[in-house]
Amino acid sequence: DIVMTQSPDSLAVSLGERATINCKSSQSLLYSSNNKNYLAWYQQKPGQPPKLLIYWASTRESGVPDRFSGSGSGTDFTLTISSLQAEDVAVYYCQQYYDPPCPFGQGTRLEI
Amino acid sequence: EVQLVESGGGLVQPGGSLRLSCAASGFTFSNYAMSWVRQAPGKGLQWVSAITESGGRTFYADSVKGRFTISRDISKNTLYLQMNSLTAGDTALYYCAKPLDSAQWLVFDYWGQGTLVTVSS
Repeated sequence: DIVMTQSPDSLAVSLGERATINCKSSQSLLYSSNNKNYLAWYQQKPGQPPKLLIYWASTRESGVPDRFSGSGSGTDFTLTISSLQAEDVAVYYCQQYYDPPCPFGQGTRLEI
Repeated sequence: EVQLVESGGGLVQPGGSLRLSCAASGFTFSNYAMSWVRQAPGKGLQWVSAITESGGRTFYADSVKGRFTISRDISKNTLYLQMNSLTAGDTALYYCAKPLDSAQWLVFDYWGQGTLVTVSS
């Protein structure tokens, strides 16, 4: 099975600064049939269910602020928050979704 | 408005059983595969199980295979998770999750609030 590993486990960033979270997959998530990476990013705030931010590794979900961006291909991916806002404090998860099981990364806690 | 409302959680002894339900509304339930995802207290997310639109195919995480059964009732717009032989390791908040679309059936754009399952003697 594919294993997803995020780094770092926790991250403290100042307001207005850039935050970068990495996600590494044990197998390539780039599928030649459609040249797409089956990688999603979620944000989870305390006491709330996860919220989808990014899919296809770099496509922003509707309504997600453009300060959130996803990049990468194959086995290495990055979620970037260009200018951290107070409301971005949360735990962030990556997830591979080509086939079940569809594991999540262990999560990265983002703090100010 | 899409709504997913889970129920059926509670305190159960090791070795016991529970059946979770997820009442779906605000979308055409029969057009979407559905999944259960769980989160142990203070821990990360773990995908548990999925079922195709018709219910003809089901999928499970290795940790629950043979113990959990996912099903759906299209007429009631309800998703189920029958959980048997429960252990302390199954203690978690169980979320029902709807996928983006049929092509991305394991990417979840809507989640319920979850139902808490506690396995303890």
